[in-house]
Amino acid sequence: GQQLNQSPQSMFIQEGEDVSMNCTSSSIFNTWLWYKQDPGEGPVLLIALYKAGELTSNGRLTAQFGITRKDSFLNISASIPSDVGIYFCAFGQGAQKLVFGQGTRLTINP
Amino acid sequence: GAVVSQHPSWVICKSGTSVKIECRSLDFQATTMFWYRQFPKQSLMLMATSNEGSKATYEQGVEKDKFLINHASLTLSTLTVTSAHPEDSSFYICSAVTGTWGYTFGSGTRLTVV
Repeated sequence: GQQLNQSPQSMFIQEGEDVSMNCTSSSIFNTWLWYKQDPGEGPVLLIALYKAGELTSNGRLTAQFGITRKDSFLNISASIPSDVGIYFCAFGQGAQKLVFGQGTRLTINP
Repeated sequence: GAVVSQHPSWVICKSGTSVKIECRSLDFQATTMFWYRQFPKQSLMLMATSNEGSKATYEQGVEKDKFLINHASLTLSTLTVTSAHPEDSSFYICSAVTGTWGYTFGSGTRLTVV
């Protein structure tokens, strides 16, 4: 089946640093979604991308839908302690199913 | 915004018993809900699609007789893990469709089978 390759798997950064993570796939998608999951909670949508080349911001978060529609990145600027968590990319499949990437676990040292 | 209430948030059960997990959509009607399973340090894996008034659609490799899904109303979907075993211990999460590619997730249920 279709798969997403998300990297890096984990990141350890200092508070205040910028963060960048990305997802790639061998297939073309029409929708890219970025979620954050806090420990013991369900994922929460951060940014949704619907068009190739689209660049969208949500506060300190910026995400882009690659021109080839096979990749997407998420940047977090000036990280703060509450940014800790697991970030997932996801794409929309048929019948509105979501397929998630492996996740990027973000740890921030104060 | 749309809220999905999932209960219980955690449950410990004995091997061989059954456990029911509920997901309720608050203030909106959820025709379709999805059930995911997440093992520690892994991603969310879709188990099944639950449609109100019809049988659930299960993903390949998911035992429909073990994971019973009922979506009898537009605001409630339930997942029952029957004859639970330790390998069923996991984090179970539901989500409701709230629009085109719009989803709201429950807060998850951590199941531990001892």
